[in-house]
Amino acid sequence: DAGVIQSPRHEVTEMGQEVTLRCKPISGHNSLFWYRQTMMRGLELLIYFNNNVPIDDSGMPEDRFSAKMPNASFSTLKIQPSEPRDSAVYFCASSFLPVQGMDYGYTFGSGTRLTVV
Amino acid sequence: AQTVTQSQPEMSVQEAETVTLSCTYDTSESDYYLFWYKQPPSRQMILVIRQEAYKQQNATENRFSVNFQKAAKSFSLKISDSQLGDAAMYFCAYRSRFGNEKLTFGTGTRLTIIP
Repeated sequence: DAGVIQSPRHEVTEMGQEVTLRCKPISGHNSLFWYRQTMMRGLELLIYFNNNVPIDDSGMPEDRFSAKMPNASFSTLKIQPSEPRDSAVYFCASSFLPVQGMDYGYTFGSGTRLTVV
Repeated sequence: AQTVTQSQPEMSVQEAETVTLSCTYDTSESDYYLFWYKQPPSRQMILVIRQEAYKQQNATENRFSVNFQKAAKSFSLKISDSQLGDAAMYFCAYRSRFGNEKLTFGTGTRLTIIP
């Protein structure tokens, strides 16, 4: 398996522009997570999906952020309009959590480093 | 809400020596999972070791082991025979066993290996 695949690896954009980050989870995983990492706030959960349905979006900063998971193999995180304070590394992760059984933790993608100038 | 605290922002250890990274957490739940993740300069988050709260036995993975003290809500990571490749940020994380699947992370400990 190729693991969790994120694109792009780096993104530089101007303030006010729309940014779309992409994620392909591991095949067979039923949960997908978007995290943001900054020096000031560490790793924060933005949103997570279970079986393609958003379960907890309480971490989404504001209406400028939106996330979708149209099918089990693809998710996007969109920021519109982007602001300099959105600059961070955005991680996607996936996991398989059976109804009863072991949790083997998340598998993370390599992250997207977003810089908004 | 659960919180995870890593009180050591930075640690260093001589190559081949042993180092212990500390982690404490706060929860009212009795059943949960604890994890240690490693983030090298490549920024990839790599799962190092995991522990189920209902298990008394401490988890081990090769040179990595944990000291899980449930009553004290402590979950430290011991790295034996430290290698240069162990240099990274190490994050402790908590997840409920039931309900919300999110991982709550600590602030991390930067580990430096001295040759």
